[in-house]
Amino acid sequence: DAGVTQSPTHLIKTRGQQVTLRCSPISGHKSVSWYQQVLGQGPQFIFQYYEKEERGRGNFPDRFSARQFPNYSSELNVNALLLGDSALYLCASSPGVDNEQFFGPGTRLTVL
Amino acid sequence: DQQVKQNSPSLSVQEGRISILNCDYTNSMFDYFLWYKKYPAEGPTFLISISSIKDKNEDGRFTVFLNKSAKHLSLHIVPSQPGDSAVYFCAASPTRGGGSQGNLIFGKGTKLSVKP
Repeated sequence: DAGVTQSPTHLIKTRGQQVTLRCSPISGHKSVSWYQQVLGQGPQFIFQYYEKEERGRGNFPDRFSARQFPNYSSELNVNALLLGDSALYLCASSPGVDNEQFFGPGTRLTVL
Repeated sequence: DQQVKQNSPSLSVQEGRISILNCDYTNSMFDYFLWYKKYPAEGPTFLISISSIKDKNEDGRFTVFLNKSAKHLSLHIVPSQPGDSAVYFCAASPTRGGGSQGNLIFGKGTKLSVKP
């Protein structure tokens, strides 16, 4: 069975631009969470979606938004990119909100 | 303020010996703890977990110990193998899947190097 997939693998943007990252969960998983991992740090929680509704939000500015589609895939959008947004963005899926999370390989975003 | 702390950025161990990775936490509301392993260019892979009602959980070569009074947990790998070389993250949550907010709190990670 396929694991969590994310696209694109790598992305280079300039300050002020907008970016959309995509995630497909493991088949049958209805919950998707997004994490940001800055170099040298552990992953930091951004959002969780379950059944297309936001279930939680971390301490990130409103420039960060997300949504979940009827097929449970998800998109993370970041507007007005800053240099500090450069990070590995990880998506994790789980069957429900109360199960272990399985991570995708991540999208490496570089903001110049 | 970090709620989950891994104070050792790196650890080097000889193949066949024991690796002990440590993790401390500050939030007494955490009741589920997980260890993830991460190779370069891959996402974190779930390794082992422990509920706060237990003080030990074992899975093959991996054992996690939890000391609630000290707010400390450790991951033991015996025997260590070169393929275990990776970054290990400790994570905590109020409930099994991260709570209603899906919020796993991660430490900064410890890079384990197992030398042949």
